Amino acid sequence: GDSVTQMEGPVTLSEEAFLTINCTYTATGYPSLFWYVQYPGEGLQLLLKATKADDKGSNKGFEATYRKETTSFHLEKGSVQVSDSAVYFCALMPGSARQLTFGSGTQLTVLP
Amino acid sequence: EAGVAQSPRYKIIEKRQSVAFWCNPISGHATLYWYQQILGQGPKLLIQFQNNGVVDDSQLPKDRFSAERLKGVDSTLKIQPAKLEDSAVYLCASSLSGEETQYFGPGTRLLVL
Repeated sequence: GDSVTQMEGPVTLSEEAFLTINCTYTATGYPSLFWYVQYPGEGLQLLLKATKADDKGSNKGFEATYRKETTSFHLEKGSVQVSDSAVYFCALMPGSARQLTFGSGTQLTVLP
Repeated sequence: EAGVAQSPRYKIIEKRQSVAFWCNPISGHATLYWYQQILGQGPKLLIQFQNNGVVDDSQLPKDRFSAERLKGVDSTLKIQPAKLEDSAVYLCASSLSGEETQYFGPGTRLLVL
């Protein structure tokens, strides 16, 4: 079945450092790919998404590119802030089912 | 626009007791989802509704879990009887019919002792 594998955490960075959180997936067909973020005490929020190969999703300085050849959707940000501290989830949605399959999440802590 | 509402936010029960969670989706969202998120894991889909009909409940442990969405708006998820391994955060999400983006509520954190 479909699955998502995320880089294990926790990840601790200093403010203004470069961030990469790796995500690879296994799926049949051409799923849509997502990054969701969960801030402390809040619900999951959509951060960005990409629906086809070579698409780049971006939001709030975060970017991820849909790489079908490597089945990856790595999350990047050039300069993290303390306010980016959260848990980040990579997820996929098959073409028709409108159901999300999530990775296990990566806890990010950014220190001032 | 009001988000997805869930209650209660926290619940502590003893094993073999019953518990119910409530979800009110975003107005106009026909599709509603319940997820279970065990500590350290990503959310896992339990059940998906389209209006008041079940689209997929293949991951719902039907011997103890039940869910309904009688009028196609609010939904309740019930566990009866609860087991220790049911300790988790139960997330409700909703979306417009056919849309990919799901909007999540804050979740209900359940602890079974």
